[in-house]
Amino acid sequence: EAQVTQNPRYLITVTGKKLTVTCSQNMNHEYMSWYRQDPGLGLRQIYYSMNVEVTDKGDVPEGYKVSRKEKRNFPLILESPSPNQTSLYFCASAGLGQSTDTQYFGPGTRLTVL
Amino acid sequence: RKEVEQDPGPFNVPEGATVAFNCTYSNSASQSFFWYRQDCRKEPKLLMSVYSSGNEDGRFTAQLNRASQYISLLIRDSKLSDSATYLCVVNSGSNYQLIWGAGTKLIIKP
Repeated sequence: EAQVTQNPRYLITVTGKKLTVTCSQNMNHEYMSWYRQDPGLGLRQIYYSMNVEVTDKGDVPEGYKVSRKEKRNFPLILESPSPNQTSLYFCASAGLGQSTDTQYFGPGTRLTVL
Repeated sequence: RKEVEQDPGPFNVPEGATVAFNCTYSNSASQSFFWYRQDCRKEPKLLMSVYSSGNEDGRFTAQLNRASQYISLLIRDSKLSDSATYLCVVNSGSNYQLIWGAGTKLIIKP
């Protein structure tokens, strides 16, 4: 089954404790992206990647890191989480031939930073 | 002004009714437009792309008005299962960045 998986689905942590949210897709997509979604705001892009070893900042990259060592994986790293990073996070992927029109999303990770 | 604006709703609509909502965008260079559907606390899923000539998919019709810079979504004969948040999405002008509206919440009542 074609899918994007994220782990963990729910996470409660404390300020300053490094964490990683994993994202994996099995569709051989070149493009992958991380978004955060907050009440009253649209999805905001954090980072995206057009291919292995190629990453670019989105609209709200501060406080986040990513890596793309393999095509299927695109982990999101919070080196020192803060309460303002409490949010719902989505990973998405798309084939470049479709110019990212159709983005396939993971189920989301609900993060709470105390 | 937000780049993509939507009425947050909620729109409370009786089952079987027709409902329409719009989305305005600010970047006149935008080339691609989409409607995604998001169920409560779940991931967004593509509902339909919006073409210049408009397009229809069953009970759903999407229209684009470039002159006034808005897109619309019309749902006919609404079903209970249409209850969701509808996200308007606009290509930023580059091929790989999409700008998302905050969504319009639709509630279909029996």
